[in-house]
Amino acid sequence: EIVLTQSPGTLSFSPGERATLSCRASQSVSSSYLAWYQQKPGQAPRLLIYGASNRATGIPDRFSGSGSGTDFTLTISRLEPEDFAVYYCQQCGTSSRTFGQGTKVEIK
Amino acid sequence: QVQLVQSGAEVKMPGASVKLSCKASGYRFTSYYLQWVRQAPGQGLEWMGIIHPNGDSASYSQKFQGRVTMTTDTSTSTVYMDLSSLRSEDTAVYYCVRSYDILTAYDYWGQGTLVTVSS
Repeated sequence: EIVLTQSPGTLSFSPGERATLSCRASQSVSSSYLAWYQQKPGQAPRLLIYGASNRATGIPDRFSGSGSGTDFTLTISRLEPEDFAVYYCQQCGTSSRTFGQGTKVEIK
Repeated sequence: QVQLVQSGAEVKMPGASVKLSCKASGYRFTSYYLQWVRQAPGQGLEWMGIIHPNGDSASYSQKFQGRVTMTTDTSTSTVYMDLSSLRSEDTAVYYCVRSYDILTAYDYWGQGTLVTVSS
């Protein structure tokens, strides 16, 4: 099973700042199968990025994804108040899909 | 618009079974796979399994093999997830999700169903 590690568990930013979130895999993941989700309290997760770098429908262009192999990154270019949430990476390219443990982006 | 509407919250005794439903609308049901993901209180996301919309093939996480069964009803565009031998660790919110293919990301999520296992 591929283990995805997101660190740190919590990041603190002020609105307007740039946020960079990390997702590291225990073995190589095809970029086609790496996704990012956003989850706000009491809500279901929402797909942000698929295929490592493709924005899902309706996702603002301040969200971008990059990376390959074992290292992937989600970047939020300028944090809006509604972006403070928990972010999960996921690999869906093996028979046992796995998620990272999540990174909480909180207001400083 | 695409919607996945899940059944209501459940409270079960340890050892019991629970059957959750998820009714899809707003798209051609047979064109997308359905999967289940759960989230224990305050915890992360855990994939449980996937089923072809026709119901003719399903694949489950090894962790749940033997305890989970997923089925579909194409006449009502509904997917079901049956989890047996419940224990307290199964207390979680269960989400049904949609994916275009077996190995693609989940573009729509149900609202979630809270299952509480307690004596």
